[in-house]
Amino acid sequence: EIVMTQSPATLSVSPGERATLSCRASQSVSSNLAWYQHKPGQAPRLLIYGASTRATDIPARFSGSGSGTEFTLIISSLQSEDFAVYYCQQYNNWPPWTFGQGTKVEIK
Amino acid sequence: QVQLVQSGGEVKKPGASVKVSCKASGYTFSSYGISWVRQAPGQGLEWMGWISGYNGNTNYAQNLQDRVTMTTDTSTSTAYMELRSLRFDDTAVYYCARDLSVVTSALGYWGQGTLVTVSS
Repeated sequence: EIVMTQSPATLSVSPGERATLSCRASQSVSSNLAWYQHKPGQAPRLLIYGASTRATDIPARFSGSGSGTEFTLIISSLQSEDFAVYYCQQYNNWPPWTFGQGTKVEIK
Repeated sequence: QVQLVQSGGEVKKPGASVKVSCKASGYTFSSYGISWVRQAPGQGLEWMGWISGYNGNTNYAQNLQDRVTMTTDTSTSTAYMELRSLRFDDTAVYYCARDLSVVTSALGYWGQGTLVTVSS
């Protein structure tokens, strides 16, 4: 099973600032990596797939990069609606598809 | 537009079974697979398994494969997830989610979630 490790667990950021989230895989997942945003009481929302491709209707302030075992999600200028928990997920080797434990982005 | 509508919340006793449905619309059901993902209170997301909308082939997480069964009814474009021998730690919100595309297994569309509570 591929283990996905996200850091930091919590990120305190002021609105308008940049947030950088990291995700590391225990073995290569090529570019088969997705990022999701999850808010309380809502379903998760796909932000990025293929490590760097924004999903439909996702604002350009969200960008993903990386391949192999190291990945990054950058939110260039945090808006109030961006405070949430973010998960990375690999879909290269299954079963299972695996998620990271999440990074909570909170208001500083 | 693509929609996945799940059945309502359930309260079950330990040892019982639960079956959650996920009715799809807005696309050709047989063209895409559906995963089931759960989130226990205060925990992260856990992938439970996947079922093909085309032929019903399944792939389950090893830790659940003895207790979970995923099925589809193509006549109603509905996917089902049954979990047996429920335990207290199966209390969670259960989501169905569709593959983004036929070539990408990222989870592009999600149901609204179904809360399953296991309580004596």
